[in-house]
Amino acid sequence: DAGITQSPRHKVTETGTPVTLRCHQTENHRYMYWYRQDPGHGLRLIHYSYGVKDTDKGEVSDGYSVSRSKTEDFLLTLESATSSQTSVYFCAIRDLRGGTEAFFGQGTRLTVV
Amino acid sequence: GESVGLHLPTLSVQEGDNSIINCAYSNSASDYFIWYKQESGKGPQFIIDIRSNMDKRQGQRVTVLLNKTVKHLSLQIAATQPGDSAVYFCAEWAAGNKLTFGGGTRVLVKP
Repeated sequence: DAGITQSPRHKVTETGTPVTLRCHQTENHRYMYWYRQDPGHGLRLIHYSYGVKDTDKGEVSDGYSVSRSKTEDFLLTLESATSSQTSVYFCAIRDLRGGTEAFFGQGTRLTVV
Repeated sequence: GESVGLHLPTLSVQEGDNSIINCAYSNSASDYFIWYKQESGKGPQFIIDIRSNMDKRQGQRVTVLLNKTVKHLSLQIAATQPGDSAVYFCAEWAAGNKLTFGGGTRVLVKP
């Protein structure tokens, strides 16, 4: 799957605990994205990165932070998880030299109880 | 697999027939429009794109039509097969390299 690995694939956590999801790529692509997918809402952009240490907010960034200290890793952190953050999270990567195609990971199912 | 969407509009189509999936977009400044396919338990997969200055583009068994006057995008799948059963999303690349998705349509292919 285009050299993208998300970890963990499944996680159950308690309300109020911090959670970090990891996206790792082996493609050396510049752009990396975090989306969440919920029934009835499609995929919504949380944060994205356009280079090491360069990040920007998406449409649903409240309650989330990201970090990109090296090209291959993009971390999504929920500082204090809430039940509303129960979702499936997808990471995507894009290289501008590859046209418009963004490649997606397999997703992480996060349940906050 | 993951539940993609419990409230998605559904298109039921007979195997071998053509499918047409529609999408309305809002951002007239988008440079490219893209169609993605998502199978159960998987991430979205790129199907085809169309640049904003085009009105039609064809791929293998798929055609995308863009009507900028009414801000409408459609995906036509010829001779629909069981493997085409999935959820289909339209998406658009806007300024700042953000990929924004529409709500999605579930396609069910009947044998």
